[in-house]
Amino acid sequence: GAVVSQHPSWVICKSGTSVKIECRSLDFQATTMFWYRQFPKQSLMLMATSNEGSKATYEQGVEKDKFLINHASLTLSTLTVTSAHPEDSSFYICSASGLVGDTKNIQYFGAGTRLSVL
Amino acid sequence: AQSVTQPDIHITVSEGASLELRCNYSYGATPYLFWYVQSPGQGLQLLLKYFSGDTLVQGIKGFEAEFKRSQSSFNLRKPSVHWSDAAEYFCAVGAYSGGGADGLTFGKGTHLIIQP
Repeated sequence: GAVVSQHPSWVICKSGTSVKIECRSLDFQATTMFWYRQFPKQSLMLMATSNEGSKATYEQGVEKDKFLINHASLTLSTLTVTSAHPEDSSFYICSASGLVGDTKNIQYFGAGTRLSVL
Repeated sequence: AQSVTQPDIHITVSEGASLELRCNYSYGATPYLFWYVQSPGQGLQLLLKYFSGDTLVQGIKGFEAEFKRSQSSFNLRKPSVHWSDAAEYFCAVGAYSGGGADGLTFGKGTHLIIQP
């Protein structure tokens, strides 16, 4: 149980275009979802936290107008990178947590999305 | 602010040998501690967690970790490694509000190499 699916796994886009990444909890209700960014050979950095039906909370230094997060249902959160530029190229990873059972206070991670902006 | 230190960037261990990966944390209250493993093309998989209670916790794949409050450490151990254990290992610390989980702070990871 507690499976999180992330799509796409790899996306290439032109500079100035927008890219949407989806994160789905397949077998539990994800009351909270998180978005992380991982640079090559480095750790994961929390970008934002989203609770279902609420606006996302962004970490200091993360541009909320560039990284739009929507968490409209208990199983789906999306991250849209708007007007992407080469410096936005990175590995983006989502995670999800619920309120009951094995999902309580534990984050389950998607496989990540590698974004390359040309 | 909370932080996690994994002092070893790379560790090489012979197959069948024992393993210990170090993790030190800085946190103002009792932390929630985790070890995750990341393999290429796969998401982070939870190995084990510590919330409270017994300070020696057992996880999946034969891993265990011990929480030592006095040393602010949460080291991961395995008595005998297998070639399939080669991966990137992350220690993480989290906090929890009444509404559920907060974001995790991760260490920089330890890359485990298994020698035949």
